[in-house]
Amino acid sequence: GPKVLQIPSHQIIDMGQMVTLNCDPVSNHLYFYWYKQILGQQMEFLVNFYNGKVMEKSKLFKDQFSVERPDGSYFTLKIQPTALEDSAVYFCASSLGGNQDTQYFGPGTRLLVL
Amino acid sequence: GDSVTQKQGQVTLSEDDFLFINCTYSTTTYPTLFWYVQYPGQGPQLLLKVTTANNKGISRGFEATYDKGTTSFHLQKASVQESDSAVYFCALVPLSGSFNKLTFGAGTRLAVCP
Repeated sequence: GPKVLQIPSHQIIDMGQMVTLNCDPVSNHLYFYWYKQILGQQMEFLVNFYNGKVMEKSKLFKDQFSVERPDGSYFTLKIQPTALEDSAVYFCASSLGGNQDTQYFGPGTRLLVL
Repeated sequence: GDSVTQKQGQVTLSEDDFLFINCTYSTTTYPTLFWYVQYPGQGPQLLLKVTTANNKGISRGFEATYDKGTTSFHLQKASVQESDSAVYFCALVPLSGSFNKLTFGAGTRLAVCP
C-alpha cells in the first residue's frame, strides 16, 4: 500500500533543545497529520494540516509545537523548546481527501527527551 | 467529546482459536469506523473501514459490523494465526465538526501461540 516515511526513526535530545521530526507523505496526498503515542498509552491526535494551514489542533499541541510543509517537501513537526513530557513516539499520517478519508501512517519517530 | 473504548488490553489465544475484540464508541455525530493493526516497530495499518451503519467490513479473514444501536464495532476472526499477533486499534472519525481527526481506542494486544 501507500508508504509514508519518517526521519529519523529515533532521536535523543536534552530538555530545552529544539527538535524537528520529518515526514515524507504519500506523493499525491493533500492532508497531513501528526499523532503522539506515549509508551503503553493510546495514540492521540495532535494536528492536521492542509493547503499550508493548520486546520485543527488538540490541547496536546502546545505553543512550543509548530508544523509546516515548505514547497511540498517534508511535512515537519518542530518542538522548541522540548520538555521531558514530549518523550513519545510521533506518527505522521497523510490522506488524499479530508472527509473521513483513510489515513496512511509512517513507522514513527521515537523521541526521548533527557 | 468523541471516545472509543476497548476493554481488553491483552488477548492471548492459540492458533485456530476464535478472536473477538470488543469496541464501543461515543460521538455526537455519525462516524466512520476503523480498525487499524500495528505490528512491532511499525505504524498503524488500516485493516477495516466501514462508513455506513449496519454494514460489515471484511478483510483478511477479519470482520466487524457497524452497530449503531449498541454503538459497537467489535472485531472478529474465525481462526487466528501466529502472524496475527499485533496490537489492534479501534478508531472513529466523526461525520462533521472535525477535519478527519482520528480518535483511537487504547488498543488490544493480541498474542497468538503456535
